[in-house]
Amino acid sequence: QVQLQESGPGLVKPSQTLSLTCTVSGGSISGGGYYWSWIRQPPGKGLEWIGYIYFSGSAYYNSSLQSLALISIDTSKNQFSLKLSSVTGADTAVYYCARFSMVQGTFDYWGQGTLVTVSS
Amino acid sequence: EIVLTQSPVTLSLSPGERATLSCRASQSISSDLAWYQQKPGQAPRLLIYDTSNRATGIPARFSGSGSGTDFTLTINSLEPEDFAVYYCQHRSNWPPITFGQGTRLEIK
Repeated sequence: QVQLQESGPGLVKPSQTLSLTCTVSGGSISGGGYYWSWIRQPPGKGLEWIGYIYFSGSAYYNSSLQSLALISIDTSKNQFSLKLSSVTGADTAVYYCARFSMVQGTFDYWGQGTLVTVSS
Repeated sequence: EIVLTQSPVTLSLSPGERATLSCRASQSISSDLAWYQQKPGQAPRLLIYDTSNRATGIPARFSGSGSGTDFTLTINSLEPEDFAVYYCQHRSNWPPITFGQGTRLEIK
């Protein structure tokens, strides 16, 4: 059973960089067929796809983030990470990591989510 | 860019009733549509993929249908645990991932 777990600071100051890591267990992040993804959800609002990365390092992002997001992958640690720079209060959200199945076109496994608050 | 519009925003029903949730795409997306259920404080859970295929472990009372631009998630004989928020999702060449804004299914 694949499991994903987000980790990182719960509080980030405005204009700084938000950094989160997702640790994957129960399966190898190096296996093909999946994109490793970040999705966020502002309090009381809907889901927003941030981006995803393949084990090869190829990454794709939501254009609305205007190049502020950077996703990286460390196959030796079975982890992938998100950096979101120049954050504002609008970036306050629950951040989820998830596995995207290329065959089904769906997010089939999710982390529990971590709340990140942007505040001084 | 494909936009997914879900309706209604909120649906109020009683246990035992049938729920019909809609997801409309701004252009044809063939059958490439998924549905998720999200309960308070939890991550979304995959229910349906490719319009009508139930994910592993999903009860038969959940069914999906549609094609082109109009899609429906039907929940027959609502159970108390079915009251939640439901999202539709599509993948395409660009942007790769789109979510609908969600439908809240609440107890009447």
